[in-house]
Amino acid sequence: DAGVTQSPTHLIKTRGQQVTLRCSPKSGHDTVSWYQQALGQGPQFIFQYYEEEERQRGNFPDRFSGHQFPNYSSELNVNALLLGDSALYLCASSAGGSGGAETQYFGPGTRLLVL
Amino acid sequence: RKEVEQDPGPFNVPEGATVAFNCTYSNSASQSFFWYRQDCRKEPKLLMSVYSSGNEDGRFTAQLNRASQYISLLIRDSKLSDSATYLCVVNKGEGGKLIFGQGTELSVKP
Repeated sequence: DAGVTQSPTHLIKTRGQQVTLRCSPKSGHDTVSWYQQALGQGPQFIFQYYEEEERQRGNFPDRFSGHQFPNYSSELNVNALLLGDSALYLCASSAGGSGGAETQYFGPGTRLLVL
Repeated sequence: RKEVEQDPGPFNVPEGATVAFNCTYSNSASQSFFWYRQDCRKEPKLLMSVYSSGNEDGRFTAQLNRASQYISLLIRDSKLSDSATYLCVVNKGEGGKLIFGQGTELSVKP
């Protein structure tokens, strides 16, 4: 049983560029949440997708957008990259039909460096 | 004030020691509570959920005090393999948004 997978594992971009990160949830899970983890900090919630819609959003600017596909996989897009966007981006999946209180399982993350 | 606050680290302890981590949360409406473990440059992994009645899993014991909005994790008989960052996590029940503390680093030495 495959767990949560993310791609790519590492990425280097320059300021102003755009990036797309991908996530496939654990088998049987229908909800995907995205988190940003800066060095030395705990992960911060970006948003959550369920039934192909954004169900909840954290305090991130509109430069951060996402999508969920019919097979429950998800993408995180970040436009106009800033140096401060350098972080580990984590995807978490859960079986979220009843409001998202279920346990979330994390993927290995994508490490983004913005130069 | 941060929504979830943990003891600043790092904690450096010898093998076999007992170590306790503390965490406070600010929102009294929070509904579920967890401890996650994160190894260096890896993803967070669920260590245990935390219940008001307290719960134990082997050498690990977690406690929740809703009145004080306080969560704790006790590790007994520390092993070298317990070295990691421990994250206190709260779910306010608003659609599954997890709120993480900044983490407390534990280093267990021989």
